[in-house]
Amino acid sequence: NAGVTQTPKFQVLKTGQSMTLQCAQDMNHEYMSWYRQDPGMGLRLIHYSVGAGITDQGEVPNGYNVSRSTTEDFPLRLLSAAPSQTSVYFCASSAVPSAVISNQPQHFGDGTRLSIL
Amino acid sequence: GDSVTQMEGPVTLSEEAFLTINCTYTATGYPSLFWYVQYPGEGLQLLLKATKADDKGSNKGFEATYRKETTSFHLEKGSVQVSDSAVYFCALSADSSNTGKLIFGQGTTLQVKP
Repeated sequence: NAGVTQTPKFQVLKTGQSMTLQCAQDMNHEYMSWYRQDPGMGLRLIHYSVGAGITDQGEVPNGYNVSRSTTEDFPLRLLSAAPSQTSVYFCASSAVPSAVISNQPQHFGDGTRLSIL
Repeated sequence: GDSVTQMEGPVTLSEEAFLTINCTYTATGYPSLFWYVQYPGEGLQLLLKATKADDKGSNKGFEATYRKETTSFHLEKGSVQVSDSAVYFCALSADSSNTGKLIFGQGTTLQVKP
């Protein structure tokens, strides 16, 4: 049972380059999300999706794009990388959107460590 | 807006010591509260949760009680082990709009020495 798989695990980019962080889950979860983790700031929500074809912005969406063409995949795109986007990125999924009404926890991937030079 | 504040780390303890990691929150309405744990090089895992006032969440010897009167959800363990060394995150969900959004504290690093 793979759970939530993120690729790559590490990446170094130059300012202005573009790249896509991949996230795939094999649990048939409707809800998926992207967080970034920065020292002393915990995790902050970038974008989320409540199902295929539906995405919305989180707390810190600027500089990132997402799409959800299938239930399994939720890629995060950096169109023009900036040093401020150096961070560890986590993808998460859960069976239903609301953590309040669900006994299903959010499942996190192992993260992508991204450095922008 | 909603927020979570955790005690600053790192917290360094000897094996078998008692652990408390403080967590307080600010939220409108009645949030659910969570503790997540992150072991080195891994993603976050749900440790325990509580969905209403006075609920106690527990797992793997860890406990936390939802205290509405003090807006707190402190994590405790009676006897820590070296394997408990990790980063612990307190989080809340006040998800009236059903977005699934979790609001995290800044994380507290726990180091347990043999």
